[in-house]
Amino acid sequence: QSVLTQPPSVSGAPGQRVTISCTGSSSNIGAGYDVHWYQQVPGTAPKLLIYGNSNRPSGVPDRFSGSKSGTSASLAITGLQAEDEADYYCQSYDSSLSVVFGGGTKLTVL
Amino acid sequence: EVQLVESGGGLLKPGGSLRLSCAASGFTFSNAWMSWVRQAPGKGLEWVGRIKSKTDGGTTDYAVPVKGRFTISRDDSKNTLYLQMNSLKTEDTAVYYCLSQRSNYFDYWGQGTLVTVSS
Repeated sequence: QSVLTQPPSVSGAPGQRVTISCTGSSSNIGAGYDVHWYQQVPGTAPKLLIYGNSNRPSGVPDRFSGSKSGTSASLAITGLQAEDEADYYCQSYDSSLSVVFGGGTKLTVL
Repeated sequence: EVQLVESGGGLLKPGGSLRLSCAASGFTFSNAWMSWVRQAPGKGLEWVGRIKSKTDGGTTDYAVPVKGRFTISRDDSKNTLYLQMNSLKTEDTAVYYCLSQRSNYFDYWGQGTLVTVSS
């Protein structure tokens, strides 16, 4: 069981908007630690998608956005494209366990 | 261009030892905090440990499952990060990724190297 909880899977049709939640607790997200998101296309290494709750690294399309509130965070993807099909992981810091990840969410583009 | 290239993975028996290497280029390695993250087959990501830059003390920190068995070190003269793994268990089977760490997130990842522990 991961410290951060994500839905195992989400899906959407091309062009639609999907969101992926990441729920933590008072010792990690709720303690004020930032949430970061990574995208892992099958067979490849993860790639930084969102850092510091809502910031996009250079090269990441603005279709991807992140937010954080209380003990949870969300990743939103608008204008869904086939190439967005991947696994998505949230990550934060926990005051007792150091770096923590969510269990990952598999996004299927229908 | 930032590159992180892991090597040293392989197949070994429980109780064995292995050292992974990660060759870094495209950034000032000596200033970087570096981490290892692993991913068991078909599973999610798990943080293994981190080493700070020597400027920031060069200290290490480890996840509970590997503490006392794994050791992270660095050779800034060779721009190389290491992960020494001892007393390996079957549950250590995973792809091991080398990462550069910025604040509390990981901005660059290597391609990973597979470690299989099996009798």
